[in-house]
Order: sequence, then C-alpha cells, then structure tokens
Amino acid sequence: QSALTQPASVSGSPGQSITISCTGSSSDVGGYNFVSWYQQHPGTAPKLMIYDVSKRPSGVSNRFSGSKSGNTASLTISGLQAEDEADYYCSSYTVSSTCVFGGGTKLTVL
Amino acid sequence: QVQLVQSGAEVKKPGASVKVSCKASGYSFNTYGFSWVRQAPGQGLEWMGWISTYNGNTNYAQKVQGRVTMTTDTSTNTAYMELRSLRSDDTAVYYCARRPPWNDGQVGFDIWGQGTMVTVSS
Repeated sequence: QSALTQPASVSGSPGQSITISCTGSSSDVGGYNFVSWYQQHPGTAPKLMIYDVSKRPSGVSNRFSGSKSGNTASLTISGLQAEDEADYYCSSYTVSSTCVFGGGTKLTVL
Repeated sequence: QVQLVQSGAEVKKPGASVKVSCKASGYSFNTYGFSWVRQAPGQGLEWMGWISTYNGNTNYAQKVQGRVTMTTDTSTNTAYMELRSLRSDDTAVYYCARRPPWNDGQVGFDIWGQGTMVTVSS
C-alpha cells in the first residue's frame, strides 16, 4: 500500500486560510469516508484533528475543517495562528482493511 | 483522565526482539481497539497494524507481517506490540493509539501514548 500524497510544505500568514491536500486512489480515500487528519508538533505525539472526512473531535477548534472530493481529501485551517505551525498527516482506511498515512505536510506560519 | 502510558526506551541488537507495552486508564478497556504507529527519525508516520480488544482480531501492515505480534491483556488493561528479527531500519518511535469502535473503517485514533524510542544498533 503506497503512502497517500501530500505536499511537503505549505505556508501562510496569521489570519489567512490554508488548505492541505491528500491524494490517494479509489482503493482508499476515494472508496471510503474514513479519512482522518493529525497535527504533530516536534517531539510530541500526533493529535487527532479530523475524523470521518469532516468530523471534529471534542476540543478541536472549528478553524479546522475537512472535506473530500473523489480521491483527494483536504484539510483547511482558517484564521491561521502561530500555534498551528506543525506537521500534518492524513490517513485513510483501505480496501485491504488496513490504514495508510500520507507523507506529511510541514505548515509554516509566516 | 483517559491516557495511554507506554514503556521506556529500548536499545536492541540486529536480529533481536522488542516488546513495547501500552497501559490504558480512564476508560472501558474492552470498548476500544488499539493501533500501533511508528515514526523513524525525521520521517513520517507509518501504520503497523491494529487489534480488537473485543475479540483479539488483528490486521498487520504488509511491511511488518510475519515479524509483528499485537496482543492485549484485559486483566491489566495493557496492549503489547512485539517486533522480531529487528533491523536497523526498525529504529523509530513506536506509538500506541486508541481506536474507537464506531465502525470497521475507523482510522481516527483519538488518544495516543507518549511514544517509545526503539534503537536497533550493533
């Protein structure tokens, strides 16, 4: 199972909105509404930000939103803040009943 | 509070085995499954597999299939991941994560352990 494709890096200024894409295939992202997004700050464990494509766990800011179109899922962060600077990973359920992660995207807040 | 506490760092020689533990507290252990994820230094997240605490069913990533065993002990609320025939490219931080039971395709792992560094070196 190949990793999902994410851009290596994205950047934005405080207050702006950014979108991170996550591209897979019909065997994973496109075939199921089971896509999640994680935020990871250096030296810490990942934190769940979005699950089931667009649902937010309790306590996660509504500045974070998820969507999907075809084989590509997206994470949008609005009203960018300095503390949003981190690595972001998508994951998807697959046709083999496994999970696959994206390669990760480094978000820089300018 | 809900938390997962993992065992401490390990240093192993190539060919050896390692067993990482993940003790759960603050919730009903049998209700949620576990997933194991690793992260090599400076690299991304890699899914290794998952286990149901309800019936013990497992599914492993092809890359580690045959070398990994995941188990749970309901008497101690602890999940375990054993990796055998260690190689240098197994050097990574290993995370356990709680897998909610809402559906069979759930990949939203909502609680994570602090990570266990496993170093494989001769």
